[in-house]
Amino acid sequence: NAGVTQTPKFRVLKTGQSMTLLCAQDMNHEYMYWYRQDPGMGLRLIHYSVGEGTTAKGEVPDGYNVSRLKKQNFLLGLESAAPSQTSVYFCASSYLTFAGQGSIQYFGAGTRLSVL
Amino acid sequence: SQQGEEDPQALSIQEGENATMNCSYKTSINNLQWYRQNSGRGLVHLILIRSNEREKHSGRLRVTLDTSKKSSSLLITASRAADTASYFCATGSGNTPLVFGKGTRLSVIA
Repeated sequence: NAGVTQTPKFRVLKTGQSMTLLCAQDMNHEYMYWYRQDPGMGLRLIHYSVGEGTTAKGEVPDGYNVSRLKKQNFLLGLESAAPSQTSVYFCASSYLTFAGQGSIQYFGAGTRLSVL
Repeated sequence: SQQGEEDPQALSIQEGENATMNCSYKTSINNLQWYRQNSGRGLVHLILIRSNEREKHSGRLRVTLDTSKKSSSLLITASRAADTASYFCATGSGNTPLVFGKGTRLSVIA
């Protein structure tokens, strides 16, 4: 049981390049999330999904797009990377509801992205 | 905007001592959760306390919740070097995703 798997683990991009981060979970969770973590800023929600085929904006969605074509996968795309997007990106999933016991989130190990 | 705010930002203690971290939040919640993050790793869930609970224990962890003061505390007793990590509170309310605080960095010195 792998839990939440993120690929790649590290990536260096040049300004203007594009890339896709992949998140896969094997826990049959409905909810999936993408966060970025910057020093002193804690975790900030970029986008999230409440089920296959649905996505919603979080706190800092600008410059990112997401897709949830399959229940187990949640993709985060950067169409034109900027140095401000240098960060550590975390994917997470949860069972069902936002509130209550089912809202416990399970995290991947993170992707470290540098944009030069 | 972030709901939970941890205090202190950083804490350094000797092995065997107790560590206490606090979390304050602004709006009403359904539950409050604490997570740990070891350096270079993802967050790991520690404990969840519901809004109608006042205290919860899990091993060496004790969490309290005071909804009248909109605050929670996490106590780690008899700390170990392996407890060195960042600790985050996260608040859940209604149909909105969890909101995480900025975390407390705990260093336990052997």
